[in-house]
Amino acid sequence: EDQVTQSPEALRLQEGESSSLNCSYTVSGLRGLFWYRQDPGKGPEFLFTLYSAGEEKEKERLKATLTKKESFLHITAPKPEDSATYLCARNFGNEKLTFGTGTRLTIIP
Amino acid sequence: DSGVTQTPKHLITATGQRVTLRCSPRSGDLSVYWYQQSLDQGLQFLIHYYNGEERAKGNILERFSAQQFPDLHSELNLSSLELGDSALYFCASSPEGRSEAFFGQGTRLTVV
Repeated sequence: EDQVTQSPEALRLQEGESSSLNCSYTVSGLRGLFWYRQDPGKGPEFLFTLYSAGEEKEKERLKATLTKKESFLHITAPKPEDSATYLCARNFGNEKLTFGTGTRLTIIP
Repeated sequence: DSGVTQTPKHLITATGQRVTLRCSPRSGDLSVYWYQQSLDQGLQFLIHYYNGEERAKGNILERFSAQQFPDLHSELNLSSLELGDSALYFCASSPEGRSEAFFGQGTRLTVV
């Protein structure tokens, strides 16, 4: 069964304290790994697409990386406005995105 | 703003009723997806339409149906509503040849 697992479920960091979020998945034909940010009550906001092992993408304080088995979202010197739930999704080649349950990130001023 | 528009933003209805949720995809996107998000579950895929044709179905209940019209907007119809159908319903669209989906702001459905 196609599965996406994210860890940790929740993470509290002090402002400026860097960390990483993990996304792992059942290995199958790689058709894309996606990261989204979701604020409470809002729709997921697209952040990154990664297709190949070794690929990296950056946006402001966020950097996404990809290996054959997992992806990491690195957050460098986060600010309170980075607080959100971060969702990872895979395309397993079946006309849909399969989402993990997310990591709820809280940045404390 | 993702460019995907969903209406209404909020909907409160009674059990047993029927509602219709509407979605306008981003300009030029032919694919439309519907997802359900409940408090105790993540984003659950319901159905995918491409240029008016159904392409994939997820765990969509028989009480739910969808369609995509010639102008590419889509509607999700929910009937015989139950308390457990209360959730956020999201529509997303994808550009041609790409897998990333761009989400609307959702419709919050409350069944009382």
